[in-house]
Amino acid sequence: GEDVEQSLFLSVREGDSSVINCTYTDSSSTYLYWYKQEPGAGLQLLTYIFSNMDMKQDQRLTVLLNKKDKHLSLRIADTQTGDSAIYFCAERTGTASKLTFGTGTRLQVTL
Amino acid sequence: GAVVSQHPSWVICKSGTSVKIECRSLDFQATTMFWYRQFPKQSLMLMATSNEGSKATYEQGVEKDKFLINHASLTLSTLTVTSAHPEDSSFYICSAGPTGGGGYGYTFGSGTRLTVV
Repeated sequence: GEDVEQSLFLSVREGDSSVINCTYTDSSSTYLYWYKQEPGAGLQLLTYIFSNMDMKQDQRLTVLLNKKDKHLSLRIADTQTGDSAIYFCAERTGTASKLTFGTGTRLQVTL
Repeated sequence: GAVVSQHPSWVICKSGTSVKIECRSLDFQATTMFWYRQFPKQSLMLMATSNEGSKATYEQGVEKDKFLINHASLTLSTLTVTSAHPEDSSFYICSAGPTGGGGYGYTFGSGTRLTVV
């Protein structure tokens, strides 16, 4: 079955790097996504990675995918207070269009 | 590009009344729309998948007679919560797509906070 897990909370200091981790169980994932949700708002797509890739970098964001261990991570370089939000990983499997979301990680950035 | 407009952003209704939430894709045609429900500090729970012109597919445990979904056009889907009760109070989010490009996935609306009193 589909099960996507994340740690609940992460606190970092402004300027440091943040690493948010995600584990999933479905080996047939085709795309994996990272979304950001600010309080009372919808989800904003940050980045995605195709399952045959190991890494993807987009400005301050680096996504690492270890398909063997079914582990996905999002690294945010030079974390800013505006990065404080909840981050969800999500997987899309096979030809299905629906996404399975992780439990969400609340990132708190302190001064 | 790929903007999804969701209205209203918040609504308070009396118990027993019905509430309609709209989800519009503004600059693309959405063949598929998803409706999610999110409880405080929890993840998104998929309620149903709707494809334009056909009946919605509901997830297990979601009452289709209570949560009516209509996807009559390629740019509009509606979710109607019928005979709302306080336990239906939640944050409802739609997503629409595909927005083009294999991995780009689906764009989310800004959500609707429903409070039933």
